Amino acid sequence: ETGVTQTPRHLVMGMTNKKSLKCEQHLGHNAMYWYKQSAKKPLELMFVYNFKEQTENNSVPSRFSPECPNSSHLFLHLHTLQPEDSALYLCASSQDASYGASTEAFFGQGTRLTVV
Amino acid sequence: RKEVEQDPGPFNVPEGATVAFNCTYSNSASQSFFWYRQDCRKEPKLLMSVYSSGNEDGRFTAQLNRASQYISLLIRDSKLSDSATYLCVSDYGGATNKLIFGTGTLLAVQP
Repeated sequence: ETGVTQTPRHLVMGMTNKKSLKCEQHLGHNAMYWYKQSAKKPLELMFVYNFKEQTENNSVPSRFSPECPNSSHLFLHLHTLQPEDSALYLCASSQDASYGASTEAFFGQGTRLTVV
Repeated sequence: RKEVEQDPGPFNVPEGATVAFNCTYSNSASQSFFWYRQDCRKEPKLLMSVYSSGNEDGRFTAQLNRASQYISLLIRDSKLSDSATYLCVSDYGGATNKLIFGTGTLLAVQP
């Protein structure tokens, strides 16, 4: 059983749809992340939240909109996506790095998104 | 651009073989290093952290060479269940909490 839960596991959406991905972590961590994983590419960091505050937006298009209502929940709102946005979207959490070195991230099972 | 580079493989090895993966990172300010394992169509999972002094966990040994900005993973006595993609990871340096992932090295252990 994973400490980071993502829903839905699979999502097919049209380019004009609006949908949201949900992530919940039960590990007591203070940092949460969205990553994108496309075929043959490394994981791409999209957004970082520390203590509910967004600390990183890695040049992500505005059609992806994150929301972090508290340290345990993270959403990714999707609007007017393109077919090239089809990928595995992974949520992760970790302890904050207040004391120096970054700590390992724990991943959810991911949402496999297909944009048609 | 800050990057982590790995040989994508695939590495095809027989059961019982010893296999080594290498990785280089470009950011000299990186402080934390990890190896993750990712099975097909699953999420990445932490295999082990990598410490300057080197560390071992059963059949797995990780080493870090800061001077050469080089990380390695050695797997001894390979099992069929070791077949997966191994991701080399460093951080951006400082208390940033941001991790950089390599593209991964695919290992296929053959019976």
